[in-house]
Amino acid sequence: NAGVMQNPRHLVRRRGQEARLRCSPMKGHSHVYWYRQLPEEGLKFMVYLQKENIIDESGMPKERFSAEFPKEGPSILRIQQVVRGDSAAYFCASSDILQGEQYFGPGTRLTVT
Amino acid sequence: AQSVAQPEDQVNVAEGNPLTVKCTYSVSGNPYLFWYVQYPNRGLQFLLKYITGDNLVKGSYGFEAEFNKSQTSFHLKKPSALVSDSALYFCAVRDLRNFNKFYFGSGTKLNVKP
Repeated sequence: NAGVMQNPRHLVRRRGQEARLRCSPMKGHSHVYWYRQLPEEGLKFMVYLQKENIIDESGMPKERFSAEFPKEGPSILRIQQVVRGDSAAYFCASSDILQGEQYFGPGTRLTVT
Repeated sequence: AQSVAQPEDQVNVAEGNPLTVKCTYSVSGNPYLFWYVQYPNRGLQFLLKYITGDNLVKGSYGFEAEFNKSQTSFHLKKPSALVSDSALYFCAVRDLRNFNKFYFGSGTKLNVKP
């Protein structure tokens, strides 16, 4: 059973470009969460999604950031017009409501130059 | 408000000594509680969880945690620390009454010295 997959693992973007981060949850998991982590800091919750639904986006900036989890395919975190402050590690996690725990992907490290 | 607190930014312990990483929570209803470990440049790895039953939960790598309802705590413990246990540890709670949201603590850096 493959774990949570994220790609790309590393992403470099120039200021003003768009960044697309992908997350494939574990097989059978229907809940996806996105987090941001700055170096030597904790996890900051961004958004919680179920298939075709955003359940909670209270941690996501109102502008430039969006997330989706379509019926088919991976979840996408999209950052438009990136700025240097967006540089961070972005982690995706998935869970099965029956099991309870979240399983994390390896993260995407975004660098904005 | 629902939250998770890890009062110590850093814990230092000598190899072979017991270790404790503290966590307290505040959530309505019966919580699901978790511990995760993060090694440098890696994602979080699940260590153990408490859902119901025995208050002492055993997990991966020899770690265990004790659920204390009256103190609303879920401290992580290990009888004998290893240098390889040095990492960042996160406590988390899942609120089943609030859309299954997860709340993570700020993390505790564990340093085990030889």
